[in-house]
Amino acid sequence: DGGITQSPKYLFRKEGQNVTLSCEQNLNHDAMYWYRQDPGQGLRLIYYSQIVNDFQKGDIAEGYSVSREKKESFPLTVTSAQKNPTAFYLCASSPPGQINEKLFFGSGTQLSVL
Amino acid sequence: RKEVEQDPGPFNVPEGATVAFNCTYSNSASQSFFWYRQDCRKEPKLLMSVYSSGNEDGRFTAQLNRASQYISLLIRDSKLSDSATYLCVVNRGSTLGRLYFGRGTQLTVWP
Repeated sequence: DGGITQSPKYLFRKEGQNVTLSCEQNLNHDAMYWYRQDPGQGLRLIYYSQIVNDFQKGDIAEGYSVSREKKESFPLTVTSAQKNPTAFYLCASSPPGQINEKLFFGSGTQLSVL
Repeated sequence: RKEVEQDPGPFNVPEGATVAFNCTYSNSASQSFFWYRQDCRKEPKLLMSVYSSGNEDGRFTAQLNRASQYISLLIRDSKLSDSATYLCVVNRGSTLGRLYFGRGTQLTVWP
């Protein structure tokens, strides 16, 4: 079945540590996105990529980094510069020609700080 | 001012009730509008797109008022399974397109 796979489901970060969240899709979608969701809040865009080897900052990119070396993969690194990383992270993709029109989401990663 | 404003609720209604959610957006250039449903700690899923003429999908009706920059979702004959958070989502409509999410309205349907 086609879809988006995020891993791990739960992740714990120690102070000063970088952690990487995985996002893989087999939907052949060009565009991929990372969102952050805090309790009781809407999703906020961290980074997005419309094509391999290209990505753009979203509204809250500070303290995060991404890469897009393959169409299927869009990993997100939460760096030590992100001082408040505890949140629910959602990866998404959208079909060709429909950038941002309809998003397909992964099941999310809950990141917590130890 | 936030791009998308929603009343967070919570709305607590009995089965069979009719409930309506409202949402306003700040950018008049916005072109596409959606309602997503999100269950607790799950990913959002598209419930329905919202068209200018209004549209219906079973028990769900969505309306758009561009002049007032206002979107609504009406749920008729509420079911227990409708309990979730409903997210209002707006596409600003620039070339690159960006989706902006409201904070969501929480609905609990009780038996």
